Amino acid sequence: SQQGEEDPQALSIQEGENATMNCSYKTSINNLQWYRQNSGRGLVHLILIRSNEREKHSGRLRVTLDTSKKSSSLLITASRAADTASYFCAQNAGGTSYGKLTFGQGTILTVHP
Amino acid sequence: NAGVTQTPKFQVLKTGQSMTLQCAQDMNHEYMSWYRQDPGMGLRLIHYSVGAGITDQGEVPNGYNVSRSTTEDFPLRLLSAAPSQTSVYFCASSYMTPRTGELFFGEGSRLTVL
Repeated sequence: SQQGEEDPQALSIQEGENATMNCSYKTSINNLQWYRQNSGRGLVHLILIRSNEREKHSGRLRVTLDTSKKSSSLLITASRAADTASYFCAQNAGGTSYGKLTFGQGTILTVHP
Repeated sequence: NAGVTQTPKFQVLKTGQSMTLQCAQDMNHEYMSWYRQDPGMGLRLIHYSVGAGITDQGEVPNGYNVSRSTTEDFPLRLLSAAPSQTSVYFCASSYMTPRTGELFFGEGSRLTVL
């Protein structure tokens, strides 16, 4: 399986703090994506970073990618209670079907007001 | 636009029964896929399709069947339900371009097999 691993499995922080989640993967990639899932809902795409990019920002989100270590991190700055959700990384393996994504097991983030 | 629509949202089956989970998208996406989500397992790819008439297996295809007769629809068939197929099923679609790969997900279908 190409499934990646996410760390930590669960993260509990106070509102206003930063949250950092890590993702490791096993094979070369075309791109890596982060998704968010609210309880009982479908996944929502947050950000995509290509294999030739090292860092990307979107609002309060910052994603880094280190292809030499096969790892990525998602930083949420100034977290809010509404950021409480599960976060998943997904890898789009190089050379394969462009939409075929392999997901990690996710990080459950709880932000306390 | 409705996006990706899955039906039913909830279903209870008995072991050995068959059923079809429906998935439709109105975004003219070439790529469609089915995932199952189990506690502690993340999402695992069951089957996917890169266009009408073309399907392929993912990580966990056994016990499931798919077809893609139109761009819009991608039904998932459970041939003979087993308790191990109790899960939440997600349909997702995307454009076929190497520039994105962003998946749009439905809200999920929760299946219980007794």
